[in-house]
Amino acid sequence: GNSVTQMEGPVTLSEEAFLTINCTYTATGYPSLFWYVQYPGEGLQLLLKATKADDKGSNKGFEATYRKETTSFHLEKGSVQVSDSAVYFCALPNSGNTPLVFGKGTRLSVIA
Amino acid sequence: GAVVSQHPSRVICKSGTSVKIECRSLDFQATTMFWYRQFPKQSLMLMATSNEGSKATYEQGVEKDKFLINHASLTLSTLTVTSAHPEDSSFYICSARAFSGTGTRNTEAFFGQGTRLTVV
Repeated sequence: GNSVTQMEGPVTLSEEAFLTINCTYTATGYPSLFWYVQYPGEGLQLLLKATKADDKGSNKGFEATYRKETTSFHLEKGSVQVSDSAVYFCALPNSGNTPLVFGKGTRLSVIA
Repeated sequence: GAVVSQHPSRVICKSGTSVKIECRSLDFQATTMFWYRQFPKQSLMLMATSNEGSKATYEQGVEKDKFLINHASLTLSTLTVTSAHPEDSSFYICSARAFSGTGTRNTEAFFGQGTRLTVV
């Protein structure tokens, strides 16, 4: 089945620093790709998604581009804030009504 | 967008008692829901797949008699932790995927808020 490999953290950045969290995938066909965010004590929220090659998903200043050539979907943000401190998960679907396949998550801490 | 509501958000129970966690899809029908467990600072661990009107499918190593799952309607799945012990203390999360015109092939998953279970 499909799989995803995600950069492991933790990652600690100063406020306004540039963020990159790497994600690469192995998949049959060209499934949608997702980034989820989990704030402390909460469930997961969809941060952004891309449904086909070369699509760029964006939300709250975060971006990720679906790269078919490098099978990657790296998450980026130009200037992080303390409120971005959370765990970020890269994910993609397998076939059918099955659970998404998740990376192990990357914990981001942003310090003022 | 689709919403999944999970209750309670936090529960403390005595060792040996049972706890029920509810997961509801509020604006879509979910024939399948997924239950996860998350240990501190770790990723999600899939426990079971809950199927409306039929038995749940459990992942290897998950005790089906300990973690009872019922999916009696298209909008509600429940997870009951029976005879809870301190080692069952954890963060439990439910999830569902909404159908699009092409089924769930490329749809995102929606998650409940999570339940923090503490067994004392």
